[in-house]
Amino acid sequence: GEDVEQSLFLSVREGDSSVINCTYTDSSSTYLYWYKQEPGAGLQLLTYIFSNMDMKQDQRLTVLLNKKDKHLSLRIADTQTGDSAIYFCAESIQGGSYIPTFGRGTSLIVHP
Amino acid sequence: DTGVSQNPRHKITKRGQNVTFRCDPISEHNRLYWYRQTLGQGPEFLTYFQNEAQLEKSRLLSDRFSAERPKGSFSTLEIQRTEQGDSAMYLCASSPLSGTGFQETQYFGPGTRLLVL
Repeated sequence: GEDVEQSLFLSVREGDSSVINCTYTDSSSTYLYWYKQEPGAGLQLLTYIFSNMDMKQDQRLTVLLNKKDKHLSLRIADTQTGDSAIYFCAESIQGGSYIPTFGRGTSLIVHP
Repeated sequence: DTGVSQNPRHKITKRGQNVTFRCDPISEHNRLYWYRQTLGQGPEFLTYFQNEAQLEKSRLLSDRFSAERPKGSFSTLEIQRTEQGDSAMYLCASSPLSGTGFQETQYFGPGTRLLVL
């Protein structure tokens, strides 16, 4: 079955890098995603990575995938107070609907 | 296009009442999804449509829940005989479907927060 695990909280100082970690169990995962949810809002897709990739970089965001350990991480460089939100890791399996399974989310708190 | 919209944004109801939520997807998006999100959890898939056809339903979608997308545009989610356990945020998302079947980004609406007293 599909299961996605994340730590619940992360606190960083403004300007530092944030690293949010995620583990998943289904080895047939095809896509792995990071979503951001701000208070009272829906989810915003930040980035995604195919399971045949090791790394993807997009401006301040770097996604690293260790397929052997089923470990995904999101690094946010130069973290800003506007990055404070809940970050969800999700996976989807190849074959039809590609409906993602979400983790419980990591609350990122950025303090001055 | 202003994105995915959902109405109402908040709904308070008494146990046993019926409620209906509406989702307007991004224009011309073929796929429309409903999720439920409870406090401290990630979204859980409920059902999805491709155009007007409901293609998949989660086991979370009990007989009291019904969703429609009659013309392949907006969708409604109805909960009959609401229970306190139905209290949650109900999220809608839409995505285009490419001809190659490549996974397209899901765009989420702001959600409808339901409180059942």
